[in-house]
Amino acid sequence: GAVVSQHPSRVICKSGTSVKIECRSLDFQATTMFWYRQFPKQSLMLMATSNEGSKATYEQGVEKDKFLINHASLTLSTLTVTSAHPEDSSFYICSATLGMDASGGELFFGEGSRLTVL
Amino acid sequence: GENVEQHPSTLSVQEGDSAVIKCTYSDSASNYFPWYKQELGKGPQLIIDIRSNVGEKKDQRIAVTLNKTAKHFSLHITETQPEDSAVYFCAASISGGYQKVTFGIGTKLQVIP
Repeated sequence: GAVVSQHPSRVICKSGTSVKIECRSLDFQATTMFWYRQFPKQSLMLMATSNEGSKATYEQGVEKDKFLINHASLTLSTLTVTSAHPEDSSFYICSATLGMDASGGELFFGEGSRLTVL
Repeated sequence: GENVEQHPSTLSVQEGDSAVIKCTYSDSASNYFPWYKQELGKGPQLIIDIRSNVGEKKDQRIAVTLNKTAKHFSLHITETQPEDSAVYFCAASISGGYQKVTFGIGTKLQVIP
């Protein structure tokens, strides 16, 4: 299957700083990328959907100014957690899809990024 | 919007036994139902999926069934092995992954050697 790479896998930062997480599709062009947040022992909660070259669509309750998403190319999307606070500590996961025509809509997930805000 | 319910939340089986995880969905328009396996500290991996035009699909020890009338689908793992231990998520979406996927709450499967 297709490979999605996330970086960094773990990051620790001080409260008030910003952190950027990258999501890359390594061997395919992703028309759409999704960002999820996962708390311990809980399911994946969709944060936003991003399409290359356009603004991300955020889910209800997700602060777009807090979680900046950029999808500048068909292989790269970034999530920036701005002015991070301890409550932002979580496991962030991205996924990518070729879209229905090419792959049947299958989602390919990254390995996730563990953010810890001190 | 779509709501996916999954049970049980935890499941322990002896090695070699079968494991069954069940999910229900609410939106009759959903037509794509993937199952993911998530190991600790890693992202989910697709293990099998089924589309609404099929009632059953099998891949070696893993099978999925879908009942569109009742809006429920199930994952069956036979001859379980310790390496099957993980958290399993069911999900539902419309038109495949191009649209957003709604996940169940997850089932922690423990296979006891």
